[in-house]
Amino acid sequence: GAVVSQHPSWVICKSGTSVKIECRSLDFQATTMFWYRQFPKQSLMLMATSNEGSKATYEQGVEKDKFLINHASLTLSTLTVTSAHPEDSSFYICSARLGQEPYIEQFFGPGTRLTVL
Amino acid sequence: AQTVTQSQPEMSVQEAETVTLSCTYDTSESDYYLFWYKQPPSRQMILVIRQEAYKQQNATENRFSVNFQKAAKSFSLKISDSQLGDAAMYFCAYKRGNKLVFGAGTILRVKS
Repeated sequence: GAVVSQHPSWVICKSGTSVKIECRSLDFQATTMFWYRQFPKQSLMLMATSNEGSKATYEQGVEKDKFLINHASLTLSTLTVTSAHPEDSSFYICSARLGQEPYIEQFFGPGTRLTVL
Repeated sequence: AQTVTQSQPEMSVQEAETVTLSCTYDTSESDYYLFWYKQPPSRQMILVIRQEAYKQQNATENRFSVNFQKAAKSFSLKISDSQLGDAAMYFCAYKRGNKLVFGAGTILRVKS
């Protein structure tokens, strides 16, 4: 099946610094990727839809200037958490969309655990 | 707005037995897609099964099957012959356009 990777898998940073998380589709091209946030024992909440070559579409309540998304190629999307604070600590998961309607599927990365001290 | 409800925060099943996880959803659309995802302790999301709303036949994948009741907007997952490796958090999801809307999840524990 299609493989999506994320890097890093785990990151600790100091409050006020910025952290970049990469999401790569390893064996397919993805014009659309998604970024989710997941708190412990809770569901995945969609943060934004990342579109190759255009601006990301953010969900209501997600700060665009805080969570910068760049989808510069068909295999890479990045999420940068700017001026991170402890409340940004969470598990961030990306997914990549593959296929044509109606046989579209999202393939998920393994996630990145962010801890802000 | 579409919502997905999983009313069972936790479920337990004895190894080799059968368990059913519940999911209901709300939508005004007539054609849509529903999914069950598994998230084991590794946190990697794995697609278990999908159902197209226009198909009356319930989807099955080996030991996993669904009971799709379109009129009742119900989409339950049945796991037969439960195995220790089935222990995970299970999410029901509704596909809305490009996006997936997830339920709150059900933690499944498998007892040996």
